[in-house]
Amino acid sequence: AQTVTQSQPEMSVQEAETVTLSCTYDTSESDYYLFWYKQPPSRQMILVIRQEAYKQQNATENRFSVNFQKAAKSFSLKISDSQLGDAAMYFCAYRAAGTASKLTFGTGTRLQVTL
Amino acid sequence: GAVVSQHPSRVICKSGTSVKIECRSLDFQATTMFWYRQFPKQSLMLMATSNEGSKATYEQGVEKDKFLINHASLTLSTLTVTSAHPEDSSFYICSARPAGGNTGELFFGEGSRLTVL
Repeated sequence: AQTVTQSQPEMSVQEAETVTLSCTYDTSESDYYLFWYKQPPSRQMILVIRQEAYKQQNATENRFSVNFQKAAKSFSLKISDSQLGDAAMYFCAYRAAGTASKLTFGTGTRLQVTL
Repeated sequence: GAVVSQHPSRVICKSGTSVKIECRSLDFQATTMFWYRQFPKQSLMLMATSNEGSKATYEQGVEKDKFLINHASLTLSTLTVTSAHPEDSSFYICSARPAGGNTGELFFGEGSRLTVL
């Protein structure tokens, strides 16, 4: 069974600084997707960034980038120039390729952004 | 972008009653929808996979007679919590995968907070 592990229950970063959130996963599949979702107090799940396993290049979305290490099964999220609006729960998620494949979430990391 | 709407966003009911939550994909067709449950300060736990025109697939430990799922059309899935009890109080979230989509991405509804008195 696939598992996703986030070892940092809480993280804190100062505004304008950089923070990295860790995520590791376990799978026997070769074709899959990895995601980082943000859940603010409104509870709406917001996709931050997506990575296809077959792509060697790390995905980037503006201030958000990932360090995808397929052999190590590691998928960390780097947030640059942190903003107050980045404060939220961040969930790492895994999904095998396939129409009905489910999304498996990690336990989440609560990010605080301080002035 | 793809939009998924959930209704109601909040519902309070008495113990023993049944509650229906709707999940609609507004601008795409979804052959597969997923229902999650989230307790306070915890992650999302998959309850079941809803397949259009067929029976839902439930995760281990989820009572299928307690949580009835219907996916009668390509844009609507419903979750009915039957004979609700206080321990069923939780945040329920649905997600949908666009038919023919190739990005692997799922789109989430806004969630429904159920409180059983």
